[in-house]
Amino acid sequence: LAKTTQPISMDSYEGQEVNITCSHNNIATNDYITWYQQFPSQGPRFIIQGYKTKVTNEVASLFIPADRKSSTLSLPRVSLSDTAVYYCLVANTGGGNKLTFGTGTQLKVEL
Amino acid sequence: DGGITQSPKYLFRKEGQNVTLSCEQNLNHDAMYWYRQDPGQGLRLIYYSQIVNDFQKGDIAEGYSVSREKKESFPLTVTSAQKNPTAFYLCASRGTGGSYEQYFGPGTRLTVT
Repeated sequence: LAKTTQPISMDSYEGQEVNITCSHNNIATNDYITWYQQFPSQGPRFIIQGYKTKVTNEVASLFIPADRKSSTLSLPRVSLSDTAVYYCLVANTGGGNKLTFGTGTQLKVEL
Repeated sequence: DGGITQSPKYLFRKEGQNVTLSCEQNLNHDAMYWYRQDPGQGLRLIYYSQIVNDFQKGDIAEGYSVSREKKESFPLTVTSAQKNPTAFYLCASRGTGGSYEQYFGPGTRLTVT
């Protein structure tokens, strides 16, 4: 399974756009990229998933370049409530449903 | 409401005792997972199950055991062999098909003294 690398922490201010990049150099052809958000003492919550190019939903956008060795989660106009840990996860069915989380990125949003 | 339930939310045990954490889902998902999270750390995979009566070790299975007798249930037993059992335990499930979305329960915080 592809190992992921993310920045440990990021700081931002309310109203700004935040981009969190994840590196997954060993991503395989069948792998998808997923992102989760976790608040303290809660289970992670799914944000978005993608395979290539760009995916957008009501919460975020996911940008994946052609080589798929990295991906960027984009959060538009963050608010204080977006302060959380964000995890990048590479998943595939070939791994027998084994899904392994990395260390995540702690995003802190201030006024 | 569909979802995953974990009980209890807080659990206290004495060292040397086995303890079983409950995880139930009514999402009709085939795959279920157990993760452990220590303070300030990411999630580490303990065990996972793709289907009833089948499960595989994750990255930190030593000192833990699981069973999958029913599709809805995936209990985790923390045995006395687990050297540092105090942690936040999270259960998750995932359906088959095109989505890789995992649904997580609220977690059980286990404290062993």
